[in-house]
Amino acid sequence: AQSVTQLDSQVPVFEEAPVELRCNYSSSVSVYLFWYVQYPNQGLQLLLKYLSGSTLVKGINGFEAEFNKSQTSFHLRKPSVHISDTAEYFCAVSDGSYQKVTFGTGTKLQVIP
Amino acid sequence: GAGVSQSPSNKVTEKGKDVELRCDPISGHTALYWYRQSLGQGLEFLIYFQGNSAPDKSGLPSDRFSAERTGGSVSTLTIQRTQQEDSAVYLCASSSFRELFFGEGSRLTVL
Repeated sequence: AQSVTQLDSQVPVFEEAPVELRCNYSSSVSVYLFWYVQYPNQGLQLLLKYLSGSTLVKGINGFEAEFNKSQTSFHLRKPSVHISDTAEYFCAVSDGSYQKVTFGTGTKLQVIP
Repeated sequence: GAGVSQSPSNKVTEKGKDVELRCDPISGHTALYWYRQSLGQGLEFLIYFQGNSAPDKSGLPSDRFSAERTGGSVSTLTIQRTQQEDSAVYLCASSSFRELFFGEGSRLTVL
């Protein structure tokens, strides 16, 4: 069975500082990995995805994530955050043969001015 | 419309009543998902449809919950004899090659 762990429920960070949101997954087969973002009072939208190829994936709004198979991780990073990045971020996994998508419990990023 | 449409956006009901939540996916998307989002609980998988069939119903919390999809399009999630713990935002998403497109959700409050 596939699962996702986001250990940090909340991450406060000062504006223009770098941030890393952690995500670890477990799956018995090859995986596809995703980060979704939910801005306040809005629906979820895709930030970036790893399907195959380069392990460094770039997404919208300057975010990127790196797939590390040996560590079963897919951490999200941004070198310099803005107030507008304040949102809840969800990591998700889907295995290679089945379309069920499992989400983590989310990490709330709070950017402090 | 271009996006996933859910209705109602808000529903307040009394304990013990039945409710129906509707999802209209993006045209052409064959996969459809229902999730439940409760405060501090993240997104809880409920059920997934491929076309009209549901290969995975493992997330439905109890037999009070059921879902169907007709014509490979609209889906309805039904909760019978609602309980206060059913209060949550119910999210629907349709999928094109593993990218999920979410609706705005239906917020259910059970009094």
